Amino acid sequence: EAQVTQNPRYLITVTGKKLTVTCSQNMNHEYMSWYRQDPGLGLRQIYYSMNVEVTDKGDVPEGYKVSRKEKRNFPLILESPSPNQTSLYFCASSQREPRGNQPQHFGDGTRLSIL
Amino acid sequence: QKEVEQNSGPLSVPEGAIASLNCTYSDRGSQSFFWYRQYSGKSPELIMFIYSNGDKEDGRFTAQLNKASQYVSLLIRDSQPSDSATYLCAVRGSYKLIFGSGTRLLVRP
Repeated sequence: EAQVTQNPRYLITVTGKKLTVTCSQNMNHEYMSWYRQDPGLGLRQIYYSMNVEVTDKGDVPEGYKVSRKEKRNFPLILESPSPNQTSLYFCASSQREPRGNQPQHFGDGTRLSIL
Repeated sequence: QKEVEQNSGPLSVPEGAIASLNCTYSDRGSQSFFWYRQYSGKSPELIMFIYSNGDKEDGRFTAQLNKASQYVSLLIRDSQPSDSATYLCAVRGSYKLIFGSGTRLLVRP
């Protein structure tokens, strides 16, 4: 089954404690992306990757890091989480950059709470 | 000004009615437009995309695009309670999608 898998689904942690949210896709997609979703603000892109070893900042990259060492994996790293990073996070992938005939497949989301 | 604007709603319509969801965008050079549906607690799923001015129909859904007015809309005919969700408008930017904050639709039985 084609899917994007995120882990963990839920996490409550404390300020400053490094965490990683994993994202893996089994569709051999080149393009992967991380979003955060906050009430009233919609989905905002954090980082994206056009292919292995190619990553770039989205609209809200501050406080986040990513890596793309393998095509299937695109982890999101919070080196020193702060309460303003409490949010719902989605990973998404598509064959290439988002287009109508190449829709993005979204993971189920990760709800992070930073105390 | 936000790049993609939507009324947050909720938009409440009776079952069987036409629901009309609207979206405006600021970049006049935008070429591709998308509508995603997101049920509460779930991930977004693509339901329509449109590139050209005019209407595009798919089942009960019709997307309408007016580039001169920088306006894109989604019509849902014969609305069902199962259509109750948040509808996200997205515009293709440089190597990414730019999303609006979404309109919540409630279809009353």
